[in-house]
Amino acid sequence: ELKVEQNPLFLSMQEGKNYTIYCNYSTTSDRLYWYRQDPGKSLESLFVLLSNGAVKQEGRLMASLDTKARLSTLHITAAVHDLSATYFCAVDTLSGGGADGLTFGKGTHLIIQP
Amino acid sequence: DAGITQSPRHKVTETGTPVTLRCHQTENHRYMYWYRQDPGHGLRLIHYSYGVKDTDKGEVSDGYSVSRSKTEDFLLTLESATSSQTSVYFCAISPRDNEQFFGPGTRLTVL
Repeated sequence: ELKVEQNPLFLSMQEGKNYTIYCNYSTTSDRLYWYRQDPGKSLESLFVLLSNGAVKQEGRLMASLDTKARLSTLHITAAVHDLSATYFCAVDTLSGGGADGLTFGKGTHLIIQP
Repeated sequence: DAGITQSPRHKVTETGTPVTLRCHQTENHRYMYWYRQDPGHGLRLIHYSYGVKDTDKGEVSDGYSVSRSKTEDFLLTLESATSSQTSVYFCAISPRDNEQFFGPGTRLTVL
């Protein structure tokens, strides 16, 4: 059974601090996805990581992928209140590069306090 | 804006009644998906479609059926709704690389 585990599941941090969210998965997939969800809203695609060693950055968020360790990280630099949200990682449900849908982690609920 | 709409956006129904949720896309993508979101579970794939009349089951397909008679529409039917199907349902499309773009969601309550 494919497992996608995020930690922590809940994180409260102060503005200006740095922190990392971890995503471990059990499949051999080379592709990993990060999403953001605001309360009561839909999911927004943040990053698509398509190969081992992939690194992508957008503003204060940086995502990386290590397929050998089956680990992705989402790093937050100098957090600001607007980054408060729930963050999900996801992997291909079936390895092989198809479009068979994603398996999601349970999400990390991030609160950034002034 | 991924050009995805869902209807209805909110629905309250009673146990045992059939319910159909609609997902409509304006961008002619081949792949479409239905997920449900429940507290503590993240999102779970119910069914997906890879073309007109081509569908397959996901992780939590029991109690659900789908149909796709046109490229732009993907319907999810709860044949006989149960309280365990109370959830938020998201439709998604994938234009490339299995990256999912989500609709606004439908909040379904089964009493």
